[in-house]
Amino acid sequence: GNSVTQMEGPVTLSEEAFLTINCTYTATGYPSLFWYVQYPGEGLQLLLKATKADDKGSNKGFEATYRKETTSFHLEKGSVQVSDSAVYFCALRSTSGTYKYIFGTGTRLKVLA
Amino acid sequence: DAGITQSPRHKVTETGTPVTLRCHQTENHRYMYWYRQDPGHGLRLIHYSYGVKDTDKGEVSDGYSVSRSKTEDFLLTLESATSSQTSVYFCAISKQGQAGETQYFGPGTRLLVL
Repeated sequence: GNSVTQMEGPVTLSEEAFLTINCTYTATGYPSLFWYVQYPGEGLQLLLKATKADDKGSNKGFEATYRKETTSFHLEKGSVQVSDSAVYFCALRSTSGTYKYIFGTGTRLKVLA
Repeated sequence: DAGITQSPRHKVTETGTPVTLRCHQTENHRYMYWYRQDPGHGLRLIHYSYGVKDTDKGEVSDGYSVSRSKTEDFLLTLESATSSQTSVYFCAISKQGQAGETQYFGPGTRLLVL
Protein backbone atom coordinates (compact mmCIF):
# COMPACT_ATOMS: atom_id res chain seq x y z
CA GLY A 1 0.00 0.00 0.00
CA ASN A 2 0.89 3.67 -0.06
CA SER A 3 3.08 5.04 2.73
CA VAL A 4 5.25 7.98 3.73
CA THR A 5 8.32 7.76 5.93
CA GLN A 6 10.01 10.83 7.34
CA MET A 7 12.89 11.26 9.71
CA GLU A 8 12.13 11.28 13.39
CA GLY A 9 12.75 14.40 15.35
CA PRO A 10 13.25 16.56 17.07
CA VAL A 11 15.74 18.28 14.83
CA THR A 12 17.55 21.04 16.70
CA LEU A 13 19.52 23.65 14.77
CA SER A 14 21.09 26.99 15.39
CA GLU A 15 19.75 30.02 13.55
CA GLU A 16 21.13 30.32 9.99
CA ALA A 17 22.00 26.62 9.81
CA PHE A 18 21.11 24.47 6.79
CA LEU A 19 18.03 22.28 7.15
CA THR A 20 17.25 18.92 5.60
CA ILE A 21 14.25 16.81 6.61
CA ASN A 22 14.15 13.52 4.79
CA CYS A 23 10.99 12.05 3.32
CA THR A 24 10.59 8.89 1.27
CA TYR A 25 7.42 7.38 -0.07
CA THR A 26 5.90 4.21 -1.43
CA ALA A 27 3.09 4.55 -3.91
CA THR A 28 1.77 3.08 -7.10
CA GLY A 29 1.38 5.34 -10.07
CA TYR A 30 2.42 8.98 -9.95
CA PRO A 31 1.47 10.61 -6.67
CA SER A 32 1.52 14.30 -5.89
CA LEU A 33 3.79 15.17 -2.96
CA PHE A 34 3.35 17.81 -0.28
CA TRP A 35 5.02 19.39 2.70
CA TYR A 36 2.80 20.87 5.38
CA VAL A 37 3.89 22.93 8.39
CA GLN A 38 2.14 23.08 11.75
CA TYR A 39 2.91 25.87 14.18
CA PRO A 40 2.03 25.39 17.87
CA GLY A 41 -1.71 25.36 18.49
CA GLU A 42 -2.58 25.67 14.81
CA GLY A 43 -3.73 23.48 11.94
CA LEU A 44 -1.59 22.24 9.08
CA GLN A 45 -0.66 24.78 6.44
CA LEU A 46 0.46 23.85 2.96
CA LEU A 47 4.13 24.76 2.59
CA LEU A 48 4.88 23.46 -0.89
CA LYS A 49 3.94 20.77 -3.36
CA ALA A 50 5.13 18.98 -6.49
CA THR A 51 2.98 17.03 -8.87
CA LYS A 52 5.41 15.20 -11.15
CA ALA A 53 8.92 13.82 -11.27
CA ASP A 54 11.74 16.40 -11.16
CA ASP A 55 9.36 19.18 -10.16
CA LYS A 56 10.70 21.46 -7.45
CA GLY A 57 8.27 22.98 -4.99
CA SER A 58 9.38 26.11 -3.17
CA ASN A 59 7.97 28.61 -0.69
CA LYS A 60 9.35 30.92 2.03
CA GLY A 61 12.92 29.75 1.31
CA PHE A 62 12.01 26.07 1.62
CA GLU A 63 12.50 23.71 -1.32
CA ALA A 64 11.83 20.08 -2.14
CA THR A 65 12.42 18.16 -5.35
CA TYR A 66 10.28 15.21 -6.47
CA ARG A 67 12.79 12.40 -7.09
CA LYS A 68 11.05 9.43 -8.59
CA GLU A 69 14.21 7.35 -8.94
CA THR A 70 14.82 7.50 -5.18
CA THR A 71 11.12 7.93 -4.22
CA SER A 72 12.08 10.92 -2.12
CA PHE A 73 10.89 14.47 -1.45
CA HIS A 74 13.38 15.92 1.03
CA LEU A 75 12.70 19.35 2.50
CA GLU A 76 15.59 21.84 2.54
CA LYS A 77 16.22 25.40 3.61
CA GLY A 78 19.51 27.20 3.35
CA SER A 79 19.27 29.33 6.49
CA VAL A 80 16.68 28.62 9.15
CA GLN A 81 15.20 31.17 11.50
CA VAL A 82 13.75 30.84 14.98
CA SER A 83 10.33 31.44 13.43
CA ASP A 84 10.71 28.20 11.41
CA SER A 85 10.33 26.18 14.60
CA ALA A 86 7.33 23.95 13.93
CA VAL A 87 6.32 20.42 13.01
CA TYR A 88 6.73 19.48 9.35
CA PHE A 89 4.64 16.79 7.65
CA CYS A 90 5.40 15.08 4.39
CA ALA A 91 2.34 13.77 2.53
CA LEU A 92 1.30 12.21 -0.72
CA ARG A 93 -1.85 12.13 -2.78
CA SER A 94 -2.18 8.96 -4.74
CA THR A 95 -4.48 8.19 -7.63
CA SER A 96 -4.84 4.60 -6.42
CA GLY A 97 -5.16 2.79 -3.13
CA THR A 98 -7.82 2.87 -0.46
CA TYR A 99 -7.10 6.32 0.89
CA LYS A 100 -5.93 9.07 -1.35
CA TYR A 101 -3.98 11.18 1.16
CA ILE A 102 -1.23 9.63 3.28
CA PHE A 103 0.76 11.60 5.86
CA GLY A 104 4.08 11.00 7.54
CA THR A 105 4.36 11.12 11.32
CA GLY A 106 5.82 14.61 11.37
CA THR A 107 9.26 16.01 12.25
CA ARG A 108 9.60 18.64 14.95
CA LEU A 109 12.13 21.36 14.18
CA LYS A 110 13.57 23.55 16.93
CA VAL A 111 15.69 26.51 15.91
CA LEU A 112 17.77 28.14 18.62
CA ALA A 113 18.81 31.80 18.56
CA ASP B 1 -7.10 29.95 3.41
CA ALA B 2 -10.01 27.72 2.43
CA GLY B 3 -12.61 29.20 4.79
CA ILE B 4 -12.71 26.26 7.21
CA THR B 5 -13.84 26.66 10.79
CA GLN B 6 -14.17 24.07 13.50
CA SER B 7 -16.23 24.14 16.67
CA PRO B 8 -15.69 23.83 19.48
CA ARG B 9 -11.96 24.54 19.53
CA HIS B 10 -11.53 22.90 22.91
CA LYS B 11 -13.70 20.35 24.66
CA VAL B 12 -13.43 18.42 27.92
CA THR B 13 -15.89 15.60 28.40
CA GLU B 14 -16.36 12.46 30.45
CA THR B 15 -16.10 8.86 29.38
CA GLY B 16 -19.36 7.53 28.01
CA THR B 17 -20.84 10.83 26.90
CA PRO B 18 -21.62 11.62 23.25
CA VAL B 19 -19.65 14.39 21.60
CA THR B 20 -20.21 16.14 18.28
CA LEU B 21 -17.59 18.20 16.50
CA ARG B 22 -18.53 20.51 13.68
CA CYS B 23 -16.62 21.48 10.56
CA HIS B 24 -17.91 24.34 8.45
CA GLN B 25 -16.62 25.49 5.07
CA THR B 26 -17.65 28.50 3.05
CA GLU B 27 -16.38 27.59 -0.44
CA ASN B 28 -18.72 24.77 -1.48
CA HIS B 29 -16.05 22.06 -1.75
CA ARG B 30 -17.29 18.60 -2.44
CA TYR B 31 -14.75 16.57 -0.47
CA MET B 32 -14.38 16.92 3.31
CA TYR B 33 -12.32 14.87 5.75
CA TRP B 34 -11.91 14.23 9.46
CA TYR B 35 -8.49 13.33 10.84
CA ARG B 36 -7.11 12.77 14.29
CA GLN B 37 -3.58 13.71 15.24
CA ASP B 38 -1.69 11.80 17.92
CA PRO B 39 2.00 11.80 18.86
CA GLY B 40 3.92 9.22 16.87
CA HIS B 41 1.05 8.63 14.46
CA GLY B 42 0.86 11.80 12.44
CA LEU B 43 -2.57 12.28 10.91
CA ARG B 44 -4.96 9.39 10.56
CA LEU B 45 -8.13 9.53 8.51
CA ILE B 46 -11.34 8.85 10.44
CA HIS B 47 -14.07 9.44 7.84
CA TYR B 48 -14.49 11.40 4.67
CA SER B 49 -17.32 12.71 2.56
CA TYR B 50 -17.60 13.09 -1.20
CA GLY B 51 -20.93 14.90 -1.21
CA VAL B 52 -24.12 15.53 0.72
CA LYS B 53 -25.11 12.30 2.48
CA ASP B 54 -22.16 10.50 0.85
CA THR B 55 -19.59 9.38 3.41
CA ASP B 56 -17.11 6.58 3.84
CA LYS B 57 -14.84 5.14 6.49
CA GLY B 58 -11.21 5.92 6.89
CA GLU B 59 -8.37 4.15 8.60
CA VAL B 60 -9.56 4.62 12.22
CA SER B 61 -13.36 4.85 12.02
CA ASP B 62 -14.33 2.61 14.96
CA GLY B 63 -16.25 4.58 17.60
CA TYR B 64 -16.97 7.49 15.25
CA SER B 65 -19.83 8.40 12.97
CA VAL B 66 -20.29 11.31 10.59
CA SER B 67 -23.06 13.16 8.87
CA ARG B 68 -23.25 15.62 6.04
CA SER B 69 -26.72 17.02 5.43
CA LYS B 70 -25.45 20.24 3.82
CA THR B 71 -22.45 20.87 1.60
CA GLU B 72 -20.94 23.31 4.08
CA ASP B 73 -21.15 21.20 7.25
CA PHE B 74 -19.49 17.92 8.16
CA LEU B 75 -20.19 16.61 11.65
CA LEU B 76 -18.11 14.07 13.56
CA THR B 77 -19.81 12.25 16.44
CA LEU B 78 -18.22 10.17 19.14
CA GLU B 79 -21.14 8.00 20.17
CA SER B 80 -19.73 7.20 23.61
CA ALA B 81 -16.43 8.92 24.23
CA THR B 82 -13.48 6.92 25.57
CA SER B 83 -10.11 8.07 26.88
CA SER B 84 -8.44 6.65 23.76
CA GLN B 85 -10.32 9.29 21.77
CA THR B 86 -8.47 12.10 23.51
CA SER B 87 -6.79 13.74 20.58
CA VAL B 88 -6.65 16.75 18.31
CA TYR B 89 -9.19 16.54 15.51
CA PHE B 90 -8.71 18.26 12.18
CA CYS B 91 -11.16 18.82 9.41
CA ALA B 92 -9.92 19.25 5.85
CA ILE B 93 -11.27 19.94 2.38
CA SER B 94 -9.87 19.13 -1.05
CA LYS B 95 -9.50 21.99 -3.43
CA GLN B 96 -8.84 21.63 -7.14
CA GLY B 97 -6.40 24.14 -8.56
CA GLN B 98 -4.20 24.71 -11.58
CA ALA B 99 -1.53 22.47 -10.09
CA GLY B 100 -3.91 19.68 -9.15
CA GLU B 101 -5.78 18.82 -6.01
CA THR B 102 -4.62 19.94 -2.55
CA GLN B 103 -5.94 19.48 0.96
CA TYR B 104 -6.47 22.43 3.28
CA PHE B 105 -7.02 22.13 7.00
CA GLY B 106 -9.09 23.76 9.69
CA PRO B 107 -7.59 25.02 12.97
CA GLY B 108 -8.37 21.85 14.92
CA THR B 109 -10.39 20.82 17.95
CA ARG B 110 -8.57 19.67 21.06
CA LEU B 111 -10.65 17.00 22.85
CA LEU B 112 -9.91 15.64 26.29
CA VAL B 113 -11.92 12.65 27.51
CA LEU B 114 -11.65 12.12 31.26
